[in-house]
Amino acid sequence: DTAVSQTPKYLVTQMGNDKSIKCEQNLGHDTMYWYKQDSKKFLKIMFSYNNKELIINETVPNRFSPKSPDKAHLNLHINSLELGDSAVYFCASSPGVGVGDTQYFGPGTRLTVL
Amino acid sequence: AQSVTQLDSQVPVFEEAPVELRCNYSSSVSVYLFWYVQYPNQGLQLLLKYLSGSTLVKGINGFEAEFNKSQTSFHLRKPSVHISDTAEYFCAVSEVGGGADGLTFGKGTHLIIQP
Repeated sequence: DTAVSQTPKYLVTQMGNDKSIKCEQNLGHDTMYWYKQDSKKFLKIMFSYNNKELIINETVPNRFSPKSPDKAHLNLHINSLELGDSAVYFCASSPGVGVGDTQYFGPGTRLTVL
Repeated sequence: AQSVTQLDSQVPVFEEAPVELRCNYSSSVSVYLFWYVQYPNQGLQLLLKYLSGSTLVKGINGFEAEFNKSQTSFHLRKPSVHISDTAEYFCAVSEVGGGADGLTFGKGTHLIIQP
């Protein structure tokens, strides 16, 4: 009964490949996010979705495309992978968009681009 | 835009000693404040948060934090640490009324508990 789950946990791939990371939350939350944690552990917001609609798209290359088929899922597609994409990617969700909602994080996906 | 500064990248402490992890923020608008903990190879878990009201906030695992508006700080404290507290601690802010803006994180403080 994991609240926020991500698959896969580890992803090793070659430069230039296209890959996807899946995220699902069973908390009934309206808002979902993707964060990137670099090798120095710095976390930065990439995208947020509210009710399947894109709210934030930080300065992320357009090789990254989030897709939300429904409120419970927010998948991250990455095209033409580069070495610099190697990082841990975290999905998160929150009940809504107001009043300092707590964000619940998934376990992370460690992406290694060779 | 907001920014968060965690001055200490690493804090070594002996078991059962008190600890304080420092967090300062900068913002042109009011913010909510959070502390998250990341245990090795795991996701982030909320320790505590400040939204409004009493400036002293108590969280899980015996942690507490105090919001100081004049010093724009939100330092995390625990009176007696345990070996299981070894983890990375992140201070974060979000803008009041900012909608789904996401959290702005500090660079983290690695708390190392020495036996």
